[in-house]
Amino acid sequence: DQQVKQNSPSLSVQEGRISILNCDYTNSMFDYFLWYKKYPAEGPTFLISISSIKDKNEDGRFTVFLNKSAKHLSLHIVPSQPGDSAVYFCAAYAGNNRKLIWGLGTSLAVNP
Amino acid sequence: DVKVTQSSRYLVKRTGEKVFLECVQDMDHENMFWYRQDPGLGLRLIYFSYDVKMKEKGDIPEGYSVSREKKERFSLILESASTNQTSMYLCASSGQWKNQPQHFGDGTRLSIL
Repeated sequence: DQQVKQNSPSLSVQEGRISILNCDYTNSMFDYFLWYKKYPAEGPTFLISISSIKDKNEDGRFTVFLNKSAKHLSLHIVPSQPGDSAVYFCAAYAGNNRKLIWGLGTSLAVNP
Repeated sequence: DVKVTQSSRYLVKRTGEKVFLECVQDMDHENMFWYRQDPGLGLRLIYFSYDVKMKEKGDIPEGYSVSREKKERFSLILESASTNQTSMYLCASSGQWKNQPQHFGDGTRLSIL
């Protein structure tokens, strides 16, 4: 049973516009969330994270929003660039558990 | 910069062979992980290790074993390779705290014929 759900397998956005990638979770014990980006034939690279004590974290063009009551987080990319085209994974930790729980990913295509 | 190095980018083996995938990290990380990635299934954890000689099963350990004799090296072993183990294998390492993200190698594309 997927505890971290990325319900959109793919997303297409025009260059310069905002990309919004969504992630829902079911486990209320999750307290730390991460986003990773993955290009084909490469390993995932860490993008941005957020602790459950915050509702927003920003790093350059990337902002993650957390809505604990809705068990929902989103990644905003503004402005989107063609180099952002990749698969984006949402992942979460629960308490002291060392295992990271992953979503299935959303493939983002940013069109020039 | 953290460097996680996987010994092979591409590997072709035969059914029944014993296969070794090696991973080395240079950041003195406590935790190391082996995942496989298959289309539509995301990243699935096979095994992880939080210290030398320590290991814990992930979500899909059947058919695999691991070895961690030194802190920087984590090996994944396919005891008797089968065609359903054809996949992309990803190694990662991280510090012991949650805010120390996992860093990944570039992966090994393993084909079992």
